[in-house]
Amino acid sequence: AQTVTQSQPEMSVQEAETVTLSCTYDTSESDYYLFWYKQPPSRQMILVIRQEAYKQQNATENRFSVNFQKAAKSFSLKISDSQLGDAAMYFCAYSPLGYGNKLVFGAGTILRVKS
Amino acid sequence: DTEVTQTPKHLVMGMTNKKSLKCEQHMGHRAMYWYKQKAKKPPELMFVYSYEKLSINESVPSRFSPECPNSSLLNLHLHALQPEDSALYLCASSQKPGDRGGNEQFFGPGTRLTVL
Repeated sequence: AQTVTQSQPEMSVQEAETVTLSCTYDTSESDYYLFWYKQPPSRQMILVIRQEAYKQQNATENRFSVNFQKAAKSFSLKISDSQLGDAAMYFCAYSPLGYGNKLVFGAGTILRVKS
Repeated sequence: DTEVTQTPKHLVMGMTNKKSLKCEQHMGHRAMYWYKQKAKKPPELMFVYSYEKLSINESVPSRFSPECPNSSLLNLHLHALQPEDSALYLCASSQKPGDRGGNEQFFGPGTRLTVL
């Protein structure tokens, strides 16, 4: 069975600084998808970034980028120029290929941003 | 329209009540999901509907009964719930047929359920 591990229960970052959230996963599949979702307190879960395993290039979305190491099964999220609005719970998630498949979530990392 | 809507936002019910949660999307997605989320925990999958048919049931107790009347609408019927069922219930939808979207799921804002 696939598993996702986020080893950092909480992280803090100063406003305008850079922070990296860690995620490792376990799967025997060769093609799959990885996601980072953000859930602010009492607010909606939104997708931050997506990585397709067959693509070697790391995904980037504005201030958010990933370091995808397929052989190491590692998928970290880097947030540059951190803003107060980045404060949230961040979930790493794995999805196998196929339609209507479940997401396997990590336990989450609470990110606090200090002004 | 790129959103998933859920009603009601909040629901308080007694253990003998019957209530329903509603989820709607108009993105042409043909997979829809119900999740249960406890505070500071990841969402736990409950059900998946694919093309309006129940495709995954994660051994959810029968006091939770899902229904997918059409491709845009998903309901969760609740009956004889327990206090430990109090949680945030999230609905999500994903992908258009033939779209290699990687099963990216779009989440609704959730219904916060309290069982007394």
